[in-house]
Amino acid sequence: DSGVTQTPKHLITATGQRVTLRCSPRSGDLSVYWYQQSLDQGLQFLIQYYNGEERAKGNILERFSAQQFPDLHSELNLSSLELGDSALYFCASSPAGPYEQYFGPGTRLTVT
Amino acid sequence: AQSVAQPEDQVNVAEGNPLTVKCTYSVSGNPYLFWYVQYPNRGLQFLLKYITGDNLVKGSYGFEAEFNKSQTSFHLKKPSALVSDSALYFCAVRALGSSGSARQLTFGSGTQLTVLP
Repeated sequence: DSGVTQTPKHLITATGQRVTLRCSPRSGDLSVYWYQQSLDQGLQFLIQYYNGEERAKGNILERFSAQQFPDLHSELNLSSLELGDSALYFCASSPAGPYEQYFGPGTRLTVT
Repeated sequence: AQSVAQPEDQVNVAEGNPLTVKCTYSVSGNPYLFWYVQYPNRGLQFLLKYITGDNLVKGSYGFEAEFNKSQTSFHLKKPSALVSDSALYFCAVRALGSSGSARQLTFGSGTQLTVLP
């Protein structure tokens, strides 16, 4: 158990809908990262937050957004969902600095 | 830009034999290198890292990796493979940016390791 929790574990929704994925980082970690894992794209970095502030953006679509709250939990919002958004979405956390990231168990999103 | 290459999609090895999973990287500046393992329907688990110091780093579950700066490689090794080592392995790199802050983690495409009984 990495100490990073993600909810829900599975999510099935229809095209055009909006969903919210939730992540709680390890105790004491200020950085939260979101990744998308799909068969064709591999593991793609989406966005990073550090202590409530956006720190870096990767290959995140404009339909997607995230935020980190004062208690350091984070939410990833996916809207106008398309079939191609079906993937595993991981959250990771780390302390400040060049340290390893600890991954949550992921949310499997299926868009039908 | 930073990148990671894992040249083998699949590695098969017999139980008890040594295993190697290859990784090469490209980065400006000093690299910070990581190996992760992913079991089916699970998140990535951290195995080991190289930040600085000894080129041979030891990690979890008997794994080790050798940093080779001249060959820009960071191959994962284990002297004696177990069937339970069968999983997807990811190499990742992050570099220290010019501003002093670490850049983002870039992952390789992954190597599926199968250990045959």
